[in-house]
Amino acid sequence: QIQLVQSGPELKKPGESVKISCKASGYTFTNYGMYWVKQAPGQGLQYMGWINTETGKPTYADDFKGRFVFFLETSASTAYLQINNLKNEDMATYFCARAGYYRGYVMDAWGQGASVTVSS
Amino acid sequence: DTVLTQSPALAVSPGERVTISCRASESVSTLMHWYQQKPGQQPTLLIYLASNLESGVPARFSGSGSGTDFTLTIDPVEADDTATYYCQQSWNDYTFGAGTKLELK
Repeated sequence: QIQLVQSGPELKKPGESVKISCKASGYTFTNYGMYWVKQAPGQGLQYMGWINTETGKPTYADDFKGRFVFFLETSASTAYLQINNLKNEDMATYFCARAGYYRGYVMDAWGQGASVTVSS
Repeated sequence: DTVLTQSPALAVSPGERVTISCRASESVSTLMHWYQQKPGQQPTLLIYLASNLESGVPARFSGSGSGTDFTLTIDPVEADDTATYYCQQSWNDYTFGAGTKLELK
């Protein structure tokens, strides 16, 4: 079955970097893109962008240009989100989600989420 | 950006029918999807392309609409449906509604 398994919780200081992984299984990794979605504590879902898993090209939503990086390790069917120069407002749970190209680009499978705590 | 507006909360009794609305600031054709998120869990897909039921989702859930007005219906509601429901459009980039929290009386 389709699974997206994300890395564990992270505790970081402001200014540090964090790398979150999302390992896919149960389907051909390069046939579906990968979205990233942020959920701040007690808040709703916010689209961050997506990465084309066939070409490696990332696309970032406006609020996530600059410090946020999407990249792949295709041989391991894994997508990564790296956040540089962490700020307090980056404290959130980050989800990866598969891009259902053939169903209107729906987010049709989700990782369990990875929480990032930013505290000095 | 295409803004999606949802009512913030609803409270219904088990066995009742509930409709959750989502209004888009501009037409999104039928590129509207619905997700359920229970506390502490990841979202799961319920409905895609406005009215298509995701595999494995109970037939109690249904979706309708096109253009700017969309509805998610649960009939009948069960206790396990306590969750927040999000609409999301993929016509003009990607945006989510703020979510509708469904509570059972």
